[in-house]
Amino acid sequence: EPEVTQTPSHQVTQMGQEVILRCVPISNHLYFYWYRQILGQKVEFLVSFYNNEISEKSEIFDDQFSVERPDGSNFTLKIRSTKLEDSAMYFCASKIDRGPSYEQYFGPGTRLTVT
Amino acid sequence: ILNVEQSPQSLHVQEGDSTNFTCSFPSSNFYALHWYRWETAKSPEALFVMTLNGDEKKKGRISATLNTKEGYSYLYIKGSQPEDSATYLCAFESGGSNYKLTFGKGTLLTVNP
Repeated sequence: EPEVTQTPSHQVTQMGQEVILRCVPISNHLYFYWYRQILGQKVEFLVSFYNNEISEKSEIFDDQFSVERPDGSNFTLKIRSTKLEDSAMYFCASKIDRGPSYEQYFGPGTRLTVT
Repeated sequence: ILNVEQSPQSLHVQEGDSTNFTCSFPSSNFYALHWYRWETAKSPEALFVMTLNGDEKKKGRISATLNTKEGYSYLYIKGSQPEDSATYLCAFESGGSNYKLTFGKGTLLTVNP
């Protein structure tokens, strides 16, 4: 069964460094998302991406964050200058089409630890 | 700000017990309600997507109901097994939101053999 994959599974970085989290969504999906979960808190929406552009972003998704789909396969989340509070599990998700009956398929997450 | 609440936060049951948990969500601007099963170090697995008031869905021993007018959904597990141990997440999808999901905090279920 097709699945969403994410790399790396765990990333440790120092405050102020740039990180790129990578995702390979399911191949025929059209909608892409990043979510994150800070330990002990709810999974929260960061950004949605469709037709090669951001369709919606949350207040968390400030100028330090960017997303890209560079080659029609990968979907990346970049954090330019990481802060301690960026430490979280980051999930990528994809959805085949618009409409309420379609599921969002999630990857296993990347645990980002900022020291 | 959309508020999705789940209860209880955690639950311990014995193998064979049946159990249920609740998700409450805004009753306005409803589009869909999703249930996910999430085991540590794995991808959250989609269980159900529910869209219509009164919907009931079933997958094996797991079933779910939906009441959009009062803003709640129940997830039921019949005859719990140790492999059902996981966090069960519900997520609300509101209309016109680019299909983003707003999650509850989850219910952590532990089934003791």
